[in-house]
Amino acid sequence: GQNIDQPTEMTATEGAIVQINCTYQTSGFNGLFWYQQHAGEAPTFLSYNVLDGLEEKGRFSSFLSRSKGYSYLLLKELQMKDSASYLCAVRDRDRDDKIIFGKGTRLHILP
Amino acid sequence: EAQVTQNPRYLITVTGKKLTVTCSQNMNHEYMSWYRQDPGLGLRQIYYSMNVEVTDKGDVPEGYKVSRKEKRNFPLILESPSPNQTSLYFCASSLDGHYEQYFGPGTRLTVT
Repeated sequence: GQNIDQPTEMTATEGAIVQINCTYQTSGFNGLFWYQQHAGEAPTFLSYNVLDGLEEKGRFSSFLSRSKGYSYLLLKELQMKDSASYLCAVRDRDRDDKIIFGKGTRLHILP
Repeated sequence: EAQVTQNPRYLITVTGKKLTVTCSQNMNHEYMSWYRQDPGLGLRQIYYSMNVEVTDKGDVPEGYKVSRKEKRNFPLILESPSPNQTSLYFCASSLDGHYEQYFGPGTRLTVT
């Protein structure tokens, strides 16, 4: 089976840096996605990691350690518009490459 | 504009009245999927399709049907809706299931 854990909620201050962690247990890991979802809207793709290391895209970076079953999403120079839920999703080779979503982390940005 | 569309966006219905939620994508994607999203439970996959005429069950398929007769369309059918199917539904598509998914705007369904 598989299990994906993320903190339920986090709070950070505008202009700061925040790290959202995701741990997973799956027998056939085959890639990890991060999505952003504003309240009442559809999820939108942020990043994809399949190899260990850091992927940087502007203010957002995503890190993966396959041996530790661990990923994080790093958001720099936080803006009010970054207030959203962040969803970690894992593709499982042993389940026909199905993509399993975590429950998401709701991020609140304070001015 | 590349997009995934869903209709209707909002629907209130009664128990047992068959309904269909349509989903269409204009990106020539092979992979399409339906999810439901409930508070505290996250996104859960209902059904997915790797290509035309190929559909498979996700994690919560009970009470739902799908079909994939054309590449661009992937309707979700509730033959006899029940109140526990009240939820926010998202359709998504991907190039071939290995890449990022593009989500539709969502359909908020209430079954009374």
